[in-house]
Amino acid sequence: AQTVTQSQPEMSVQEAETVTLSCTYDTSESDYYLFWYKQPPSRQMILVIRQEAYKQQNATENRFSVNFQKAAKSFSLKISDSQLGDAAMYFCAYRVHRESGGGADGLTFGKGTHLIIQP
Amino acid sequence: DARVTQTPRHKVTEMGQEVTMRCQPILGHNTVFWYRQTMMQGLELLAYFRNRAPLDDSGMPKDRFSAEMPDATLATLKIQPSEPRDSAVYFCASGLVGTFYEQYFGPGTRLTVT
Repeated sequence: AQTVTQSQPEMSVQEAETVTLSCTYDTSESDYYLFWYKQPPSRQMILVIRQEAYKQQNATENRFSVNFQKAAKSFSLKISDSQLGDAAMYFCAYRVHRESGGGADGLTFGKGTHLIIQP
Repeated sequence: DARVTQTPRHKVTEMGQEVTMRCQPILGHNTVFWYRQTMMQGLELLAYFRNRAPLDDSGMPKDRFSAEMPDATLATLKIQPSEPRDSAVYFCASGLVGTFYEQYFGPGTRLTVT
């Protein structure tokens, strides 16, 4: 079974600084996707960034970027120029990719990291 | 702006009562997921459907939970009888196989069983 581990229950960063959230995962699959979701107090799950395992290039979305280390099964999220609106729970998630059998499964989530932005 | 909708947003009920949660997936999406979020367990996959057919419900307690898709625009999750340990936020998400297949989440139903 796949597992996703987020070892930092809570992180704090000063506004405008950079913060990195850690995520490791365990899988025997070779083809999969990794995601970071943001959950603000409204509890809406918002996709922040995604990474296909077959791509070596790290994904970036504006101030958000990932450091994907496939061999180490590590997938960290870097938030640059932190803003007050970034304060939320951040969840790392994994999904296997299958060409047959429908092509998609449910997400496996980590326990989350609570990100606090200090003004 | 296409969104997944869920009703009700909040539900308080007494132990032993039946609870029905509803989800309207994004029009055209062919896969629907149910997740549960608790403080202790985090986010867990309960079940999912593709083209209205159940594909996996291994995460769901079978004795009291049931999930259905009566039509392409409605998914339901029922708990009968409800128990205090069922208190959680229940999320529905939808997606479209064949594309990159992002999952779009609804706002969740916060269930409290007293």
